[in-house]
Amino acid sequence: DTAVSQTPKYLVTQMGNDKSIKCEQNLGHDTMYWYKQDSKKFLKIMFSYNNKELIINETVPNRFSPKSPDKAHLNLHINSLELGDSAVYFCASSQPGPYEQYFGPGTRLTVT
Amino acid sequence: KNEVEQSPQNLTAQEGEFITINCSYSVGISALHWLQQHPGGGIVSLFMLSSGKKKHGRLIATINIQEKHSSLHITASHPRDSAVYICAVKASGSRLTFGEGTQLTVNP
Repeated sequence: DTAVSQTPKYLVTQMGNDKSIKCEQNLGHDTMYWYKQDSKKFLKIMFSYNNKELIINETVPNRFSPKSPDKAHLNLHINSLELGDSAVYFCASSQPGPYEQYFGPGTRLTVT
Repeated sequence: KNEVEQSPQNLTAQEGEFITINCSYSVGISALHWLQQHPGGGIVSLFMLSSGKKKHGRLIATINIQEKHSSLHITASHPRDSAVYICAVKASGSRLTFGEGTQLTVNP
């Protein structure tokens, strides 16, 4: 009965590779997010989708491409991985507007 | 300067102490969130506030919209409260802007 799940939990890969992180929520929420937490533990919004439509796209390299096949899923695909992409990536979901957000367990990406 | 500032950055307390973590923000907001991140990395939403005060167990969160300030209080602190506490504000739409977090360590 996990609310927001992410796979994989850990991802170790080499520079230049392409990888994907998957996120699913079973809360019936319309809005989903991707956040990046850097080595200093600072969280920053990357993308937000509302009902499969992109509504927030922060200044993120276009090597990062979110995809929402349906409103319960928001995947993150990263092309040509770089060392600086190493971070923990969190998926979250909520209803649109000022509502509580529910976070996934995070995916620790290490690029070597 | 970050739109959301937290203080202190690090806090060490003895079990049983009353703890206060502060958050100041510089933009108009529709809501403010307090989040907890445990050493294992998971993030849990503790409170969402748009005015006044909320209480959940030993945790109390207050917000003063006019002063653009919020506090998170923990009464009778316990070592299991050791975690990073993060303040986040919702300024427009669904976007959250985060503070840098407060690392709390409660010693037995």
